[in-house]
Amino acid sequence: SQQGEEDPQALSIQEGENATMNCSYKTSINNLQWYRQNSGRGLVHLILIRSNEREKHSGRLRVTLDTSKKSSSLLITASRAADTASYFCAASSISGYSTLTFGKGTMLLVSP
Amino acid sequence: DADVTQTPRNRITKTGKRIMLECSQTKGHDRMYWYRQDPGLGLQLIYYSFDVKDINKGEISDGYSVSRQAQAKFSLSLESAIPNQTALYFCATSDQRGANTGELFFGEGSRLTVL
Repeated sequence: SQQGEEDPQALSIQEGENATMNCSYKTSINNLQWYRQNSGRGLVHLILIRSNEREKHSGRLRVTLDTSKKSSSLLITASRAADTASYFCAASSISGYSTLTFGKGTMLLVSP
Repeated sequence: DADVTQTPRNRITKTGKRIMLECSQTKGHDRMYWYRQDPGLGLQLIYYSFDVKDINKGEISDGYSVSRQAQAKFSLSLESAIPNQTALYFCATSDQRGANTGELFFGEGSRLTVL
């Protein structure tokens, strides 16, 4: 079963605009992570936010976490054509085995 | 050279054939994982291993088996491939200690087509 569910499934914006992707998860977590995947390539880790954190920044990325709503958002500011990729959230559950459960992803297209 | 290497990168096979996908890593990580990716379904965990003597089933282990030959090597086998095992397979590693799961490092994937 999917732990994380991203919204929207696809997002199309112009260069320079901000892109916001949302993720909802089902169980209590230790941390939530965001990954990027260029078409047909391996996933690359972007950022990790722990359950006791509410917001985290890394360059043009801003991640928020609301554990009461079991949701997270990834904001990419001043997007570039090179940001075109699929973005996945992944939850590390507080119970059970220590692995990541991935959502279905948001496909982001940034047009020049 | 890539830190996590998967071979083969692409494979076309026929129903009923035995297939092995191999993964090797130079990161020195204890934890290794096999995921499967289908279009629109995200990644699903097949098997994982926290050290050489530890093998665990994931969400979708039926029809698959694994072998952890060494700390650096983790192979995935399909004993008798079927068409619905056509997918993109990823190996990943993690250096996390304890209960939490930290950053995963992925290989470039093995695209398998079963005819």
